[in-house]
Amino acid sequence: AQSVAQPEDQVNVAEGNPLTVKCTYSVSGNPYLFWYVQYPNRGLQFLLKYITGDNLVKGSYGFEAEFNKSQTSFHLKKPSALVSDSALYFCAVRDFIGSSNTGKLIFGQGTTLQVKP
Amino acid sequence: KAGVTQTPRYLIKTRGQQVTLSCSPISGHRSVSWYQQTPGQGLQFLFEYFSETQRNKGNFPGRFSGRQFSNSRSEMNVSTLELGDSALYLCASSPGLDLSYEQYFGPGTRLTVT
Repeated sequence: AQSVAQPEDQVNVAEGNPLTVKCTYSVSGNPYLFWYVQYPNRGLQFLLKYITGDNLVKGSYGFEAEFNKSQTSFHLKKPSALVSDSALYFCAVRDFIGSSNTGKLIFGQGTTLQVKP
Repeated sequence: KAGVTQTPRYLIKTRGQQVTLSCSPISGHRSVSWYQQTPGQGLQFLFEYFSETQRNKGNFPGRFSGRQFSNSRSEMNVSTLELGDSALYLCASSPGLDLSYEQYFGPGTRLTVT
C-alpha cells in the first residue's frame, strides 16, 4: 500500500531564509507525488506535482520540490521564505492498484510552516 | 474558471440527525472525491465518483454515503450523526481518472455535531 510521511510537525524559518519541508514516501511502482498548502479555514491549494521526468519540479508561489528516488523523498523547498508562506503543508501520493487509479490521494499528517519576520 | 464550491460552509447539527453536503466541481471536471479532515486523523478519503458511479470508498461506516448527478455535482450524506463526525469535509474535483491529474479542492464544509 502507498504511504507518505512528513517527519516534522512544524518548521520554523526566518523571512528571507530558504525553507525545506520534508516528505518521504513508500509506493509499489512509480510514485505520483503532490504538494498542497492549506491556509486557516480554507481548503487545500495545489502547489506542484511529480509524475515523471526532471527530478526538480517547479510550482506555484516560487515553490519547488526535489524528487529523490534512492531516498524515496519529495522535499518541498523555497529559496527565500515569506511571512505569507506560513500555513499547513501536505504531501500526498496517488493511490493505485496495478495501473488503475483508485481515485484516492493518501496524505501525510501535515507540517506547519511558521515564517517569522 | 470558477473553483470547486461547497455548500453550506458551516453546519451545526445534533447527534442522531442527518446532514447533506453539496459540492459543485470545476466546470468540465467529471471526477469528484470527498475527504474528511480532523485534527486527530488528518485527511482521510471518503469516496470518489466518476460519471455518476462510485468508484472507490474509504474505510467509513455505512452512515456515510454519497452520489453524483449527471452534471457532475455531488452530494454526501451522513445519517445518525455522532460527535466524532465533527470535521471539515472537503470535496475535490479533477478532469478525469488519469493518475497524473491533481485534485482541486473546495473550501470545505465545517460540520459540528453537538
